[in-house]
Amino acid sequence: QLQLQESGSGLVKPSQTLSLTCAVSGGSISSGGYSWSWIRQPPGKGLEWIGYVYHSGSAFYNPSLRSRLTISVDRSKNQFSLELNSVTAADTGVYYCARAPSGYYDPYYFDYWGQGTLVTVSS
Amino acid sequence: QSVLTQPPSVSGAPGQRVTISCTGSSSNLGAGYDVHWYQHLPGTAPKLLIYGNTNRPSGVPDRFSGSRSGTSASLAITGLQAEDEADYYCQSYDSSLSGSGVFGTGTKVTVL
Repeated sequence: QLQLQESGSGLVKPSQTLSLTCAVSGGSISSGGYSWSWIRQPPGKGLEWIGYVYHSGSAFYNPSLRSRLTISVDRSKNQFSLELNSVTAADTGVYYCARAPSGYYDPYYFDYWGQGTLVTVSS
Repeated sequence: QSVLTQPPSVSGAPGQRVTISCTGSSSNLGAGYDVHWYQHLPGTAPKLLIYGNTNRPSGVPDRFSGSRSGTSASLAITGLQAEDEADYYCQSYDSSLSGSGVFGTGTKVTVL
């Protein structure tokens, strides 16, 4: 059974960088055939797709976040990471990592999710 | 701002049938991109309910069904149960945003 687990900074100061890691167990990122995404949910709001990375390291981002965002993969540790810089209070929320089978276009659907981690941006 | 619009809330009595709509545009559902549906309970990970418009993953009850037509899609829940009270989201792909995953605005289902 594939499992994803988010970890990282729970409290980030405005203008600083938010860093999260998603550890994958029960399967290998290196096997290919999937994209690995970050998704977030601000308090009281809906889900927002942030971006994804392939096992090759190629990454694709939500245009609204592209200028501040880096998603990377570490195949040796079977994990992928998110860095969002110049954060503001609007970046507060629960951040999820998720897997999506690759198709004609990506991301397709998300079949496995992490439990989510709350990130608060505050001084 | 989401490009897929859902009603904020729907409700029904136990045993009833409810439907949730998901309205898109020519750059997502209207362009033929598939729609998928998730159930989200507070404090938990979203759960995939329907993928590829109409397909249920293993373990999802057949009380849940999906359909789509043109720029819209729907999720139907028949035989509504108390455990179905949750938030539901549709999700697709939008080609107008340099290729981007998009979620619906979300619908809260209340079991009366």
